[in-house]
Amino acid sequence: GESVGLHLPTLSVQEGDNSIINCAYSNSASDYFIWYKQESGKGPQFIIDIRSNMDKRQGQRVTVLLNKTVKHLSLQIAATQPGDSAVYFCAVTDNTNAGKSTFGDGTTLTVKP
Amino acid sequence: DARVTQTPRHKVTEMGQEVTMRCQPILGHNTVFWYRQTMMQGLELLAYFRNRAPLDDSGMPKDRFSAEMPDATLATLKIQPSEPRDSAVYFCASGLGPGTAQYFGPGTRLTVL
Repeated sequence: GESVGLHLPTLSVQEGDNSIINCAYSNSASDYFIWYKQESGKGPQFIIDIRSNMDKRQGQRVTVLLNKTVKHLSLQIAATQPGDSAVYFCAVTDNTNAGKSTFGDGTTLTVKP
Repeated sequence: DARVTQTPRHKVTEMGQEVTMRCQPILGHNTVFWYRQTMMQGLELLAYFRNRAPLDDSGMPKDRFSAEMPDATLATLKIQPSEPRDSAVYFCASGLGPGTAQYFGPGTRLTVL
């Protein structure tokens, strides 16, 4: 089955700096990838997704990069703000497996003012 | 603003009691997921449904857990009898099927004494 791992369980950045959160997956058949943000006491919230036919996708202050060769996914947050402090999860889906997603363990991002 | 709703938000019960958690998926979503989140295990998929039919419940302890979708607007997760090790936050999520994002509810925080 799929295994999903994050490179760092915690990340601390200065307000205004850029943040990069990384994720590695094992199943080369994975074809859909999502980043979620979870604030304390809330459910995971969709941030951005990318499909396997793309290698980069941009949203508002966020960019997701996908490297299928090394099975690596990253989330970049530009000009990180205190409100970005949360736990970030990557979710990896193999749509040949009935669309089940495997979640990584989460990276806790702390933004220092 | 379409959201997944879950009730109750908090539940404290004694070991051996039955617990029922309810979820209202986003209108029009045909896929519903139940997850359990703990510090030790992270986010675990318990069961999921498509068009109200159970597709996979392999993550669920079968002897005490059951999940149903009586209709398209209601999903339930029952634990009978509950045990202290069931203490966790239970999330429901809904989506439009494979290759699409899942949208999470706020969760039910269950404490079994």
